[in-house]
Amino acid sequence: LAKTTQPISMDSYEGQEVNITCSHNNIATNDYITWYQQFPSQGPRFIIQGYKTKVTNEVASLFIPADRKSSTLSLPRVSLSDTAVYYCLGTEGNMLTFGGGTRLMVKP
Amino acid sequence: NAGVTQTPKFQVLKTGQSMTLQCAQDMNHEYMSWYRQDPGMGLRLIHYSVGAGITDQGEVPNGYNVSRSTTEDFPLRLLSAAPSQTSVYFCASKNSGDSGNTIYFGEGSWLTVV
Repeated sequence: LAKTTQPISMDSYEGQEVNITCSHNNIATNDYITWYQQFPSQGPRFIIQGYKTKVTNEVASLFIPADRKSSTLSLPRVSLSDTAVYYCLGTEGNMLTFGGGTRLMVKP
Repeated sequence: NAGVTQTPKFQVLKTGQSMTLQCAQDMNHEYMSWYRQDPGMGLRLIHYSVGAGITDQGEVPNGYNVSRSTTEDFPLRLLSAAPSQTSVYFCASKNSGDSGNTIYFGEGSWLTVV
């Protein structure tokens, strides 16, 4: 099973940039790299997705090196409302797995 | 838009009872799946389906059955509930025609087995 590895937790302060890295073991050549955000008592929601290099949307940026063995989710100028769990999605064929995620705590 | 709808939202079961968690989506998505999330933990894949009539086991399938008779519905059955199945259950769907992995989740079903 394609397993992802990411830090269990991170702390930051309001206004800082936060970078969360995920390692993607055995990622398939045609798989996208996808990140999700989850608030307490809610289902995860899609943040950003990419295949290679860099992708940016209104919420985050995603950096993917050429070998695609890892990815970095970058959250610019975080606020208290960015406190959540962030998951990089693991894929093997049709199995989509979330792992333990990274618990981000943003402090004032 | 309803999206992914789960019922019930809350349920208390006694050990040994059976029940079905309902999941329906109105986005014509072929791919549907069930996850469970224990307190403070990540999501674990129970079962998934790539289309009507097709189901497969995920990471933690024991104690659960699924069926997929229509594209819209993907019920999850607990055959004989155990306290270890106390968890939050999330149903999800994805457009199989989507080259990426944008997954849509329901609001969750909180299950307590006593």
